[in-house]
Amino acid sequence: GAVVSQHPSRVICKSGTSVKIECRSLDFQATTMFWYRQFPKQSLMLMATSNEGSKATYEQGVEKDKFLINHASLTLSTLTVTSAHPEDSSFYICSAYTPSGNTIYFGEGSWLTVV
Amino acid sequence: AQTVTQSQPEMSVQEAETVTLSCTYDTSESDYYLFWYKQPPSRQMILVIRQEAYKQQNATENRFSVNFQKAAKSFSLKISDSQLGDAAMYFCAYRRANTGNQFYFGTGTSLTVIP
Repeated sequence: GAVVSQHPSRVICKSGTSVKIECRSLDFQATTMFWYRQFPKQSLMLMATSNEGSKATYEQGVEKDKFLINHASLTLSTLTVTSAHPEDSSFYICSAYTPSGNTIYFGEGSWLTVV
Repeated sequence: AQTVTQSQPEMSVQEAETVTLSCTYDTSESDYYLFWYKQPPSRQMILVIRQEAYKQQNATENRFSVNFQKAAKSFSLKISDSQLGDAAMYFCAYRRANTGNQFYFGTGTSLTVIP
């Protein structure tokens, strides 16, 4: 299947700082990427849909100024958590849509810990 | 809005036995896709199987098969000859065929395989 790489897998940052998470599609072009947040033992919560070359579409309740998403190329989307707080600590997962396969493939996920 | 319901938070199965995970969904669309994803302890989401709604034949992937009942809006996953490596969270997902690429996930079923 298609490969989606997410980096970093784990990151610890200080409260008030910003942290960037990258999501890359390695062997296909992804016009659409998705960012999810997953709380322990819960399902994936869609945060935003990222389309290459345009602004991301955020789900209700997700602060667009806090979770900045950029999809500058067909293989890269980034999520920047700005002015991070301990309550932002979570597991973040990206995924990329493949039109040819009509499905999505996931990155490995990123653990963010804000101290 | 589309909703996906997994009514079994936890399931267990004896190694080598068969287990069925339930999923129901709500939609007014006639054309859509359904998926089962597996999330092992590593947290990497893995596509297990997919089904196109316009196909009457149930999808099969080795030991994994689905029972797709379109009228009942039911999409269960059967795992045959269960193996220890099948232990994971399983998420059912829905995607509309014609508009948007957004996936809707169920709340997940935690599967334990007993040696």
